[in-house]
Amino acid sequence: GQNIDQPTEMTATEGAIVQINCTYQTSGFNGLFWYQQHAGEAPTFLSYNVLDGLEEKGRFSSFLSRSKGYSYLLLKELQMKDSASYLCAVTDSNYQLIWGAGTKLIIKP
Amino acid sequence: IAGITQAPTSQILAAGRRMTLRCTQDMRHNAMYWYRQDLGLGLRLIHYSNTAGTTGKGEVPDGYSVSRANTDDFPLTLASAVPSQTSVYFCASSSRAGGQETQYFGPGTRLLVL
Repeated sequence: GQNIDQPTEMTATEGAIVQINCTYQTSGFNGLFWYQQHAGEAPTFLSYNVLDGLEEKGRFSSFLSRSKGYSYLLLKELQMKDSASYLCAVTDSNYQLIWGAGTKLIIKP
Repeated sequence: IAGITQAPTSQILAAGRRMTLRCTQDMRHNAMYWYRQDLGLGLRLIHYSNTAGTTGKGEVPDGYSVSRANTDDFPLTLASAVPSQTSVYFCASSSRAGGQETQYFGPGTRLLVL
């Protein structure tokens, strides 16, 4: 079966750095997305990786290792507004998007 | 402002009733999707449409139907609601079909079936 694993919840301190991991087992791989979802709101796009390596976009970076079936989202200089759920999603060999359950990130002052 | 709108924002529905959730996008996107989101579970695809006039079944299509008469609208119908359909429903769109396109989500409809 297809599976995406993320930690259910993480806590970090304002101003710090946090890494949210995502491991996947899917039938093929055609890309990995990270979305942010604030409580009660819609998911919004953060990043897309299809090749191995690190993609940096401001305070957020996303890393992919296809051989390990692994990705992480790195958030630097955490702000209170970063409190949200972070969703990992993988495109499989049929170009269907498979979603993880999301990681709820709690930022403490 | 370009984007996706959904209606209603929330609804309480008696079991057995019929309900249509509306979704409209003005980005001229070809592909549209309906998801449900339940606590502790990832987004689950109900139905999708790769282009106007075509629809397909997702992971959890039972009890739901869709139509895509034009590019902009993609309504989701619950023919006879059951309590297990209590969920938050998100409509999304992407410029093209295929899982490599960024999806843009509507604000969601919160549905409670009693």
